[in-house]
Amino acid sequence: EIVLTQSPGTLSLSPGERATLSCRASQSLSSSFLAWYQQKPGQAPRLLIYGASNRATGIPDRFSGSGSGTDFTLTISRLEPEDFAVYYCQQYGSSSTFGPGTKVDIK
Amino acid sequence: QVQLVQSGAEVKKPGASVKVSCKASGYTFNSYGINWVRQAPGQGLEWMGWISTYNGNTKYAQKVQGRVTMTTDTSTTTAYMELRSLRSDDTAIYYCARDFSSGSYGYWGQGSLVTVSS
Repeated sequence: EIVLTQSPGTLSLSPGERATLSCRASQSLSSSFLAWYQQKPGQAPRLLIYGASNRATGIPDRFSGSGSGTDFTLTISRLEPEDFAVYYCQQYGSSSTFGPGTKVDIK
Repeated sequence: QVQLVQSGAEVKKPGASVKVSCKASGYTFNSYGINWVRQAPGQGLEWMGWISTYNGNTKYAQKVQGRVTMTTDTSTTTAYMELRSLRSDDTAIYYCARDFSSGSYGYWGQGSLVTVSS
């Protein structure tokens, strides 16, 4: 099973700052089957990025994804108040796994 | 618009079974697989498995293999997840999520809380 590790566990930032979230896989991911989700309290996750770097429908362009192989990054260029949430990476290989999440909270 | 509407909350005793439903609308049901993901209180997301709505093929996570069965009813465009031999650590919100692209899940149900308690 492919294990995903996310860092940092918590990121404390102010609105307007840049957020850089990391996701590392225990094995190289084929065809960049890596996605990112945002989850707010009491809500289902929302797809942000698929295929490592493609924004899902309706996702603002301040969200961007990059990386390949085992190292992936989600960048939020300028944090808006609604961006404070938990972010999960997810891989799909022979099965699927999620990372433990990074909480982005207000400094 | 794509919608996944799940069944309501359930309270079960240890050793019992639960069956959660996920009613899909707004797209061609048998064109996209359905995944089941759960989230224990205050914890992260855990993928449980996937079912092809086209031919019923399934993949299950090792952790629940042998206790879970995923099925679909194409006549009612509904997916089901049954979990047997429930334990307290099965207490979680259970989500259905539709395949999107590159193995991602673009649409999610609202979640169904399953509480296992004696």
